[in-house]
Amino acid sequence: NAGVTQTPKFRVLKTGQSMTLLCAQDMNHEYMYWYRQDPGMGLRLIHYSVGEGTTAKGEVPDGYNVSRLKKQNFLLGLESAAPSQTSVYFCASSSAISSYNEQFFGPGTRLTVL
Amino acid sequence: AQSVTQLGSHVSVSEGALVLLRCNYSSSVPPYLFWYVQYPNQGLQLLLKYTSAATLVKGINGFEAEFKKSETSFHLTKPSAHMSDAAEYFCAVSSYTGGFKTIFGAGTRLFVKA
Repeated sequence: NAGVTQTPKFRVLKTGQSMTLLCAQDMNHEYMYWYRQDPGMGLRLIHYSVGEGTTAKGEVPDGYNVSRLKKQNFLLGLESAAPSQTSVYFCASSSAISSYNEQFFGPGTRLTVL
Repeated sequence: AQSVTQLGSHVSVSEGALVLLRCNYSSSVPPYLFWYVQYPNQGLQLLLKYTSAATLVKGINGFEAEFKKSETSFHLTKPSAHMSDAAEYFCAVSSYTGGFKTIFGAGTRLFVKA
């Protein structure tokens, strides 16, 4: 039982390049989330999904796209990376059965955009 | 609307001293409250949660938190700090209003001095 895994762990991009971050969970959770973590700002929600084939915008969605083609996977895409997207990205998942939405987090992806 | 305020971005204590990390929240509906811990270069792990059962909640590693509705607070405490407690701690509030929404505080970094 690996929980929530993220690929890659580190990445350096040049401005304008694109990339996809992959999140996978093996807990059969319905809900999945992408957050970014910046110093002094806590975690900010980028996009989330309440089920396979559905996605929704969070607090800071601009410059990102997501897809949830399979229940266990949630992809975060950057079409044209900008230095402002330098951050640590966390994926999380939670069960729809839970009455209080406890979230389980992956180890993070550290992205640097030059 | 929900919000979370963590008082103090950095807290320093001596080993063996009391740990007190402050969290105040606002929520228009009864909230669920969480404390997560993040060790260096890792994702967030759940430390404890308040789900309206008992106001004093015990978590892992000797931590506990007390829900005080009148003060809208959910402060985290540990009687005796250990070097291994050095980490960043996040308070979060979650509530259901047609869908779950979780807001994280900015985080408090705990330093433990020998």
